[in-house]
Formats: sequence, structure tokens, C-alpha cells
Amino acid sequence: DADVTQTPRNRITKTGKRIMLECSQTKGHDRMYWYRQDPGLGLRLIYYSFDVKDINKGEISDGYSVSRQAQAKFSLSLESAIPNQTALYFCATSEQQGAYNEQFFGPGTRLTVL
Amino acid sequence: GEDVEQSLFLSVREGDSSVINCTYTDSSSTYLYWYKQEPGAGLQLLTYIFSNMDMKQDQRLTVLLNKKDKHLSLRIADTQTGDSAIYFCAESPGGYQKVTFGIGTKLQVIP
Repeated sequence: DADVTQTPRNRITKTGKRIMLECSQTKGHDRMYWYRQDPGLGLRLIYYSFDVKDINKGEISDGYSVSRQAQAKFSLSLESAIPNQTALYFCATSEQQGAYNEQFFGPGTRLTVL
Repeated sequence: GEDVEQSLFLSVREGDSSVINCTYTDSSSTYLYWYKQEPGAGLQLLTYIFSNMDMKQDQRLTVLLNKKDKHLSLRIADTQTGDSAIYFCAESPGGYQKVTFGIGTKLQVIP
């Protein structure tokens, strides 16, 4: 079984719709992250959470919100989707061991906003 | 802020060596990583190096770190078609900090 799962894997929606992407993990990690990947722009951090009570904005948080429902669950919402939010979205987890910070990624959600 | 740069694309012939380069700006980087993303999948850690090391070798992979120039490279010996993927360079400073990723280098292996 996958350690980091994302649902849905693919989603097509229309401009203005509210969308929620969900992430679950069985690794027992405290830290969870949401990234988006765009061709030529690489991986950009949207939000991150270092524990259940901690939520932090990343470099591109505008237009997004998150909820950390439990240690194992971290969801990303687009309140009113727009076409430039079309991208591949990844959830990741980590458990920092000293300065070492390996991240474990889910399989991604491909979102298309028409 | 932190910045990690790498070229977008590299093409090599099967059996040749591949060298993917990366530069970073954060002088407090403690660990530097190479992640591999295969088509349709998430990123997976390939290897990493601690900042007090110059080189790390793991089977076909060799990581070189020039801390003075803030330059990291990944060499893949005897490149195979299965090595075709996007390779991301990443760095994390010490302490309670997040990881910064580069834009990824797409490696194309020609049979």
C-alpha cells in the first residue's frame, strides 16, 4: 500500500468552482506539504504544516487554503478555481531527523481548470 | 531567499555518462538532495550529501559538492533508458526549515 495517497488523481473543473484535494499518509510523519508543479517552473511550495496546530504559507499561497484535520490528513482547497491553477499538485510528508529532511511524495493530482 | 538553479534538459546516449548540474545560493545548506521523478509519478529521493562531504558514491551514482562555489552535480554512469526522468536538486538548511527545490532537469536517454 502507498504511504502517501492523494485523491482525486485527476480532476477537470470549471472556473469559479470550489475544489478540494485530499492527502492522507500512513508514515506517521508530523510534517506535510502541498506543492504544485508547472513545466519550466518546477516545484513550488503552496502551504506546509509542521504539526496539526501549525499551518504556514509557502511561496504561492494566494488563491489556496489548507486544513490539517489530523496528523495523517492535509487537504488543499481552491475556493474559486481559475485557469492558471491548472497544474500537477503534490502532497509530501517528512519527519525531520536533525537537519536531514527527506520528503516522501504522493502520486500527484492533475487538475485542469477550464 | 534561497534559490536553486539547474538546466532544463539533458540528452545522452545509452551507455554514456550523464552529468546533471545544480547551483544554490543558501550558504547555510546542510543537506543537498537529488530527487528523481519518473513519468506519471511523484518525486523519490535518489541520493543526498551532507555539506561537510565533497563526494558520495552509490553504485552508478556519484554526487560531487563544491561548497565554495555552491555547486552540486549528479553523475550517472552507464546511463540506461530507465534513467530517463526529471531530476530535481534540492537543499535544506539546518534547523526547523523547509526544503527548496530546483526546477528539474529532464534527462532523455537515446537508445
